[in-house]
Amino acid sequence: DGGITQSPKYLFRKEGQNVTLSCEQNLNHDAMYWYRQDPGQGLRLIYYSQIVNDFQKGDIAEGYSVSREKKESFPLTVTSAQKNPTAFYLCASSSPTSGEQYFGPGTRLTVT
Amino acid sequence: GQNIDQPTEMTATEGAIVQINCTYQTSGFNGLFWYQQHAGEAPTFLSYNVLDGLEEKGRFSSFLSRSKGYSYLLLKELQMKDSASYLCAVRGGYRGSTLGRLYFGRGTQLTVWP
Repeated sequence: DGGITQSPKYLFRKEGQNVTLSCEQNLNHDAMYWYRQDPGQGLRLIYYSQIVNDFQKGDIAEGYSVSREKKESFPLTVTSAQKNPTAFYLCASSSPTSGEQYFGPGTRLTVT
Repeated sequence: GQNIDQPTEMTATEGAIVQINCTYQTSGFNGLFWYQQHAGEAPTFLSYNVLDGLEEKGRFSSFLSRSKGYSYLLLKELQMKDSASYLCAVRGGYRGSTLGRLYFGRGTQLTVWP
C-alpha cells in the first residue's frame, strides 16, 4: 500500500538534545512538507521541499533543519535552539496532479 | 500576508445539518481544501474547490466564492463520528499550478451530540 510513514509515534527527549523525526513516502511525490501543530491550533509550516536536494523555509523554520537527499525521505531535525519543541509534528507529501496533500500519522514529541 | 478565518467551535445534534464557514485573504489563490482531523490523528482530505460553486461528495459538500474570499463545508445527516476538527486550507502559488504551499486556518472543532 502506498502512503507516508512517520516514526516513532511518540518521542521523548531531554532539553538540549537534538532529535530527528523520520518521514518516508512511497507515493512517488516530488513535494514534501513538515508541519507543527499545537493544541487548539492549525498547522504551521516548518519546511517544505518541492524536489530532491532543494528545500525552503516555511513560517516557523527557526530551530529546525531538514535534508532531502532522496525523493522518498524528508527527515526533520529539531535542534536544541528550538525554544518550545514539544508539539505534534506532521509530515505530508502532495500529488503533482491535484496538489492534494497526504499526511503521515504524526509524531508527538515531548521535551522535558 | 495570509489570513484564513473559521469559527473555533461548533456543536450540533445527530442527524442535523451543520455549515462551517471559512473566509480567506491571501496574496494568491489556487484552490481551497477542507480536511477532517480527529484528535491525535493526521488530517484526511475531504474536498477541493478551485472554481466557484458547490462540490458534493456524499454527506459532505463544499462551496467556494472566489470574489468574496469565502467557502463553507456542509455536513448533512450528522453522525457521532463526525465529531472532529475541520481545517480550511488555501493554496497559494501560480494559477493552475499544483505546487503552491497550503495556508491553514486554525480549525473548527465540531462536537456532535446524540
